[in-house]
Amino acid sequence: VLTQSPATLSLSPGERATLSCRASQSVRNQLAWYQQKPGQPPRLLIYETSNRAIGIPARFSGSGSRTDFTLTINGLEPDDFAIYFCQQRDKWPYTFGQGTKLEIK
Amino acid sequence: EVQLVESGGGLVQPGGSLRLSCVASGFIFSDFSMHWVRQAPGKGLEYVSAIAFNGKDTYYADSVKGRFIISRDTSSNTLSLQMGGLTPEDMAIYYCARIGTHGWYDFWGQGTLVTVSS
Repeated sequence: VLTQSPATLSLSPGERATLSCRASQSVRNQLAWYQQKPGQPPRLLIYETSNRAIGIPARFSGSGSRTDFTLTINGLEPDDFAIYFCQQRDKWPYTFGQGTKLEIK
Repeated sequence: EVQLVESGGGLVQPGGSLRLSCVASGFIFSDFSMHWVRQAPGKGLEYVSAIAFNGKDTYYADSVKGRFIISRDTSSNTLSLQMGGLTPEDMAIYYCARIGTHGWYDFWGQGTLVTVSS
């Protein structure tokens, strides 16, 4: 089970966002982060804990290991306000966290 | 440009069946494993089913095992999901997603909505 916190994060553009994903058991480094905007499918941001997907800006970074993972977004831009999901692929079936909604304060 | 276009969603009565399709383009379809992932309205994401790049291995979430069948047709670059015994718990947007070279969902379709209601 992946548990994301907080459920909602209210910040202003320019601030730093720190999103957490905790696994109930170790998933090693097999964790990814996705961004989803209303009416759109998820978009891969980070894979294997800390690798940015193609085209993802450097302000997005991931860290962590085993059971505790963090997605950090530096210098929030208006386009970053969305829902973020973590996902593990260390154990079958693949599972997702319930999401963190990043909203404009 | 990689594109995944789903179709086949709609309104179905409880206990009914539906067949979803996902047409892939912009990449060599037979080189990639494909998944179906669903999202109930306002909810999170749930893996549903997967099929290996060569179609030889298929996998299902426990919640759909025995009711859903995943398949792929390389000649038409189409991924399919035959769904049966539908219940309100199956109501969701169904996305097809590609497993990329790094092993993660790197491309998603726009999704097709399945509504289960009498």
